Amino acid sequence: EDKVVQSPLSLVVHEGDTVTLNCSYEVTNFRSLLWYKQEKKAPTFLFMLTSSGIEKKSGRLSSILDKKELFSILNITATQTGDSAVYLCAVEAWTGAGSYQLTFGKGTKLSVIP
Amino acid sequence: DSGVTQTPKHLITATGQRVTLRCSPRSGDLSVYWYQQSLDQGLQFLIHYYNGEERAKGNILERFSAQQFPDLHSELNLSSLELGDSALYFCASSVDLRGTEAFFGQGTRLTVV
Repeated sequence: EDKVVQSPLSLVVHEGDTVTLNCSYEVTNFRSLLWYKQEKKAPTFLFMLTSSGIEKKSGRLSSILDKKELFSILNITATQTGDSAVYLCAVEAWTGAGSYQLTFGKGTKLSVIP
Repeated sequence: DSGVTQTPKHLITATGQRVTLRCSPRSGDLSVYWYQQSLDQGLQFLIHYYNGEERAKGNILERFSAQQFPDLHSELNLSSLELGDSALYFCASSVDLRGTEAFFGQGTRLTVV
C-alpha cells in the first residue's frame, strides 16, 4: 500500500522565521510529488516535482525532491502570518489500470505568530 | 474560485440515512475525483471517473457509490451513514487522467449525528 508521511504534524513559529517541512514516501510506480496549501477549505496547488535534485521556487517557498532517499522538503523563508495553513504532500502513482492516483500525507499544520 | 462546484456546502443528517453529494467539474474537464478528509485520516482518495467511466477506486466503503453522468457532473452517494462518516468531502476535476492537474471544489461538510 502506498504511504506518505509528513513531519512535523504541527509547527508554531514567529514571523520572519524559516521553516522546513518534510515528506517521505513509499510508493509503487512513482510519477510525481506535489505540495498543496490548505487554508480554510480546498487545497491549492503549490509545486509538482518529478526529478531529483531540481529545486522549484516560488517567491519565499521552495521545494526539492530526493528520489533515491524517497523524500521531499518544503522550505518557507521569512514566514508571514498569511503562511499559516496546513501543508499537504501528495504522491502521484500509476495504478496500472489506466489511471493515476494521489496519496496524501496527513499534513503539517503551520501557525505563524506575529 | 477553482471552477469546480460542489453542493451542498453543509449537510447534517442522522445515522442510518442516505445522502447525495453533487459535483460539477470545470468546463472541459473529463475527470472527476472524490476525496474524503477527516481529522484523523487526512485527505483520502475515494474514486476517479473519466468521461463517465470509473477508472480507479481508493479507500471507498461499500456503503458509498458514485457515478458520472453524460453531462460530466458527478454524484457521490453515501448510505447507512455512521458517525465516523462525518468529514469534508472534496471533488476535484481535471482535463485528463492525471490528478496532478486537478482543481478542487470547496467541499461538502457532512455531519452525521
